[in-house]
Amino acid sequence: DQQVKQNSPSLSVQEGRISILNCDYTNSMFDYFLWYKKYPAEGPTFLISISSIKDKNEDGRFTVFLNKSAKHLSLHIVPSQPGDSAVYFCAAIRAQKLVFGQGTRLTINP
Amino acid sequence: NAGVTQTPKFQVLKTGQSMTLQCAQDMNHNSMYWYRQDPGMGLRLIYYSASEGTTDKGEVPNGYNVSRLNKREFSLRLESAAPSQTSVYFCASSEALVSSDQETQYFGPGTRLLVL
Repeated sequence: DQQVKQNSPSLSVQEGRISILNCDYTNSMFDYFLWYKKYPAEGPTFLISISSIKDKNEDGRFTVFLNKSAKHLSLHIVPSQPGDSAVYFCAAIRAQKLVFGQGTRLTINP
Repeated sequence: NAGVTQTPKFQVLKTGQSMTLQCAQDMNHNSMYWYRQDPGMGLRLIYYSASEGTTDKGEVPNGYNVSRLNKREFSLRLESAAPSQTSVYFCASSEALVSSDQETQYFGPGTRLLVL
């Protein structure tokens, strides 16, 4: 039972444009949502998070939007840079544990 | 600060062999975790340790055992490896169990395990 889903395995975006990564969840009891970024041969690193009582959180080029009625969150990266090429994992916190999505591989093209 | 370190980086086992994956953190964190990552599956929690001296099962504990040796070290043991355990294993740590987005988990670089 995949409680957190990232339905797009990959996404290709031109440098300078906006990257939008999507995540859906099924459990309305999730308290917080996080995005992690992972480069090859490295562990995931925390990127940005949002509480379930908010609908937007911004940190520099990264903004996360939460639509609770649709059980959907998205990560916007503006403008996209070559260093943003990585795998992005959406995760949710429930009962003091992280539940991860499958990941989306983002490729930024020059 | 090395953060979270894992050894070995890569290992090949034959079915039925045993091995221990080592993890250490130097951030004085109380909580430590073991995950596995499989293609198309994301990261799944195997075992975790909320604090020194305690361990609990995660989502996929079958076939594994863990030991919280001290506050710094958390090892994962495969007693009799199976091909289904071929995966990338990540260790992580955090100050406390994640109860909000303020308790970030820090991940090691991973151990790639191939079971033939």
